[in-house]
Amino acid sequence: ETGVTQTPRHLVMGMTNKKSLKCEQHLGHNAMYWYKQSAKKPLELMFVYNFKEQTENNSVPSRFSPECPNSSHLFLHLHTLQPEDSALYLCASSQDRTSGGSSYNEQFFGPGTRLTVL
Amino acid sequence: RKEVEQDPGPFNVPEGATVAFNCTYSNSASQSFFWYRQDCRKEPKLLMSVYSSGNEDGRFTAQLNRASQYISLLIRDSKLSDSATYLCVAVRGGYQKVTFGTGTKLQVIP
Repeated sequence: ETGVTQTPRHLVMGMTNKKSLKCEQHLGHNAMYWYKQSAKKPLELMFVYNFKEQTENNSVPSRFSPECPNSSHLFLHLHTLQPEDSALYLCASSQDRTSGGSSYNEQFFGPGTRLTVL
Repeated sequence: RKEVEQDPGPFNVPEGATVAFNCTYSNSASQSFFWYRQDCRKEPKLLMSVYSSGNEDGRFTAQLNRASQYISLLIRDSKLSDSATYLCVAVRGGYQKVTFGTGTKLQVIP
């Protein structure tokens, strides 16, 4: 496997279910991200991890719980979601680097999990 | 005001045309900028980073204007395969504060 992989690719769940999304990066990057993409809205950054430490949580409801056991794997645990949580959930990774006083952190995305909450 | 703003389009252009997109950002602390391309129902793919001096990659040219706080993407000799949504990204604080624009849709017509 190369790049960033995500499983499952599609998920349908009820509001009382508990499920987890998985992301794995094979690029040796030090940062991983979860994004939500809803129709006609920009990509929303949810969580950022750097070297397994969560460095950003953009006011995401507690029904979304991230886990980063190591720098290659990232999970998003889902619990009692709402229908409005239906969206494409994208994982990305980057290698944070600085050169000449500027930061370069091109992100590489996985294919996403298309989530439908009934 | 949105932190990153783009004209959603769509931009409908004939094959072979030159098309330009602008993207404005509101936070002057933004340090690095990127253009991504997203095809329908696919993940975003990095198109190019935007450097202060501007950069070119084949038919694509990206420019950064820090004084006016905008970045641009120029596509020359448009191909049908260029049809996609182009996302502008501004990053501040290293990898931590990443903001995507809503994207500009491009449709290249035969």
